[in-house]
Amino acid sequence: DTGVSQNPRHKITKRGQNVTFRCDPISEHNRLYWYRQTLGQGPEFLTYFQNEAQLEKSRLLSDRFSAERPKGSFSTLEIQRTEQGDSAMYLCASSPRITGTSGTGELFFGEGSRLTVL
Amino acid sequence: QKEVEQNSGPLSVPEGAIASLNCTYSDRGSQSFFWYRQYSGKSPELIMFIYSNGDKEDGRFTAQLNKASQYVSLLIRDSQPSDSATYLCAVNGDTDKLIFGTGTRLQVFP
Repeated sequence: DTGVSQNPRHKITKRGQNVTFRCDPISEHNRLYWYRQTLGQGPEFLTYFQNEAQLEKSRLLSDRFSAERPKGSFSTLEIQRTEQGDSAMYLCASSPRITGTSGTGELFFGEGSRLTVL
Repeated sequence: QKEVEQNSGPLSVPEGAIASLNCTYSDRGSQSFFWYRQYSGKSPELIMFIYSNGDKEDGRFTAQLNKASQYVSLLIRDSQPSDSATYLCAVNGDTDKLIFGTGTRLQVFP
């Protein structure tokens, strides 16, 4: 399978615990994005990387959230001291380098990691 | 004001009809526009993208863009029950990220 892979697919944790999600993008894509989605809402941008560089982080993102992409390949998203409000689907997407047409390249999403905080 | 606005629906159309989904955006500098389909419990999948004013057709789907009116639409011809899903409009923001609307839920009934 050459798509975007995320794990774990489901995570149930108690409030206050730390959780980490992993994303393996499509191999030739150099951009990697993290989004969060709650029921009835569209995906909300969290952060993105170009290769190993984190280029942007949402202003709405708590400092309990941190993301890394150490070698420009897979990425991890860690949430420290989880709160019930962190319960959501965490989506990873990758995108090829922008070429030709202007603007952002299309995003290809993984299946997501669903977090439930009790 | 939300950056990307969509009517949440549900939009109900009979099988075989044309479904029309609409989206407005606030950033006049936006250059790339995308439509994603999301089935319940699944992740979004790309249907179409459009960069230039006018229409772009792909099979039963047509995307329409009017930058002057800051308006994007998606037409689905010959709607099928399998088209029942949430349709997300996405627009590139002031940096290289996509801003999504809340989505429109489409229901196609036999």
